[in-house]
Amino acid sequence: GEDVEQSLFLSVREGDSSVINCTYTDSSSTYLYWYKQEPGAGLQLLTYIFSNMDMKQDQRLTVLLNKKDKHLSLRIADTQTGDSAIYFCAETYTGGGNKLTFGTGTQLKVEL
Amino acid sequence: GAVVSQHPSRVICKSGTSVKIECRSLDFQATTMFWYRQFPKKSLMLMATSNEGSKATYEQGVEKDKFLINHASLTLSTLTVTSAHPEDSSFYICSARPGGNEQFFGPGTRLTVL
Repeated sequence: GEDVEQSLFLSVREGDSSVINCTYTDSSSTYLYWYKQEPGAGLQLLTYIFSNMDMKQDQRLTVLLNKKDKHLSLRIADTQTGDSAIYFCAETYTGGGNKLTFGTGTQLKVEL
Repeated sequence: GAVVSQHPSRVICKSGTSVKIECRSLDFQATTMFWYRQFPKKSLMLMATSNEGSKATYEQGVEKDKFLINHASLTLSTLTVTSAHPEDSSFYICSARPGGNEQFFGPGTRLTVL
């Protein structure tokens, strides 16, 4: 099956940039997503990128995709305490019927 | 944006009872809804794909007689955990797809089986 891996934990200071990384194994990815989950809540879609794109920027968020290395990253500029949450990358893939395969999640902690 | 609700948000039940969880798309129609299970500090595991007007498609290893799914209308899917046991305690999350590539997630239901 498809594997999507993330580092478990990231700690940054308020105002710094955060970079959350994700690696995947499926070469037939169609879309790649970043979701945010706050404690006890569902998932909020932050942004997504089509697999033939290299970069997408949306306000404080920048997504970089290296399809050759199967590496996806999410950069959050000027990180705030409200950004503290768990971040999941996810992918859909050809033949998967819009099913999302989620990464293991990265807990981001923003310190003052 | 599209809103998906779940009810109840929390439920505590005795072992052996059945629990029904509702997932509703509030401002759009969804021919397809998805049910996920999330263990503490773990990722989401897709349980099944719920299709309006037809049988759900279950992922490998998910017991369809244990987790009954009914997608009776374009805005409602229900997941019933039958004869619940403590190992069924988990966070259950649904999502709905209005069309296109985005899925919108419900806030989740915390099930605790005593």
